[in-house]
Amino acid sequence: QQPVQSPQAVILREGEDAVINCSSSKALYSVHWYRQKHGEAPVFLMILLKGGEQKGHDKISASFNEKKQQSSLYLTASQLSYSGTYFCGTAKGNAGGTSYGKLTFGQGTILTVHP
Amino acid sequence: EAGVTQFPSHSVIEKGQTVTLRCDPISGHDNLYWYRRVMGKEIKFLLHFVKESKQDESGMPNNRFLAERTGGTYSTLKVQPAELEDSGVYFCASSQVNLRLYPYNEQFFGPGTRLTVL
Repeated sequence: QQPVQSPQAVILREGEDAVINCSSSKALYSVHWYRQKHGEAPVFLMILLKGGEQKGHDKISASFNEKKQQSSLYLTASQLSYSGTYFCGTAKGNAGGTSYGKLTFGQGTILTVHP
Repeated sequence: EAGVTQFPSHSVIEKGQTVTLRCDPISGHDNLYWYRRVMGKEIKFLLHFVKESKQDESGMPNNRFLAERTGGTYSTLKVQPAELEDSGVYFCASSQVNLRLYPYNEQFFGPGTRLTVL
């Protein structure tokens, strides 16, 4: 089952903050965040792991609430370059599982930053 | 370092025709994935190769889709015969198989092939 992202769309002015949420009904091992600009490849932003470890972008932060099976992406002091569609991808399983690495994506959140 | 490349960037074909998409992963990446995004919807997993072996093909829609990765380098995805519902953007992604890096094995995506079936 795909994770559910909210909101579906956000419009900001430069310098404003935004939060994008990603919720799953299934137990998760990791959450991966990507940003895609129109016509371009999705670009990796963050990985968050069960247990609290994370790796990713310097200016973007995220959290992973294991109890709620929810991750939130925090975009602070937004810049024009932040515009795009944000996807969360969830993974279950581990290095020994056959589904290792397979991501199940949410429907995307469209973020638009205006000057 | 070159990223994931895909060819062609766009393809417009008629229903019933055959199309072959190609993906070149990042050199040294043994994991290769195919995903598809139908307009306005989520990015959906199609299949996963580890080197030349199909690790997981649970997302392949039907037997009109055939993926190969001979030699464990580039991969092709053939759709034959194409149907209207096959239209969408097909993404390829690759990642390393490295247990020292696991679970930080982020997937690097290519720019996608936009397929339009008329």
